[in-house]
Amino acid sequence: NAGVTQTPKFRILKIGQSMTLQCTQDMNHNYMYWYRQDPGMGLKLIYYSVGAGITDKGEVPNGYNVSRSTTEDFPLRLELAAPSQTSVYFCANQKGTTDTQYFGPGTRLTVL
Amino acid sequence: GNSVTQMEGPVTLSEEAFLTINCTYTATGYPSLFWYVQYPGEGLQLLLKATKADDKGSNKGFEATYRKETTSFHLEKGSVQVSDSAVYFCALRVGNDMRFGAGTRLTVKP
Repeated sequence: NAGVTQTPKFRILKIGQSMTLQCTQDMNHNYMYWYRQDPGMGLKLIYYSVGAGITDKGEVPNGYNVSRSTTEDFPLRLELAAPSQTSVYFCANQKGTTDTQYFGPGTRLTVL
Repeated sequence: GNSVTQMEGPVTLSEEAFLTINCTYTATGYPSLFWYVQYPGEGLQLLLKATKADDKGSNKGFEATYRKETTSFHLEKGSVQVSDSAVYFCALRVGNDMRFGAGTRLTVKP
């Protein structure tokens, strides 16, 4: 089992470009999350999903969009990249309300 | 609101030294508390957790006790190893709201 996988590992964008960060899980967990980790900071929740077809905003959703058409996939979309979105992005899943979160390896994004 | 405050690093210890990383929290409900560890270039991994007051989480020689009266969840290990060098994050969850501390970088020297 691969667990939670993320692609790409690294990406450099120019201001105003768009991209999609991919997140896929093979654990059949209902809950999925997107976080960003800025240097020297903890993780901040961007969006989460409690199941296919359901998404909700987290602490820092501005500038991002998500979709959850299947249990396996939870892509994160940046429409107009800004330097403030330079960060490491982590996807995570969770089986149920009280269970442990499992994290992917992260995507390091730089916006220049 | 919900938030986590943890001891700022970096922390540098010699092998076999005692480790404490402080973590306190504020929460509007009844949180579950977690310690995650992040090794270089990797995602976070759960180290231990506690879901109610007075619970003690433990794993790989690390321990933390959920103290409701002091709203704390301090991480301890009696004898650290070089392989424990990593960044440690305290976190809480209330419903779907998950909050992380800023992380504490631990370096253990031989």
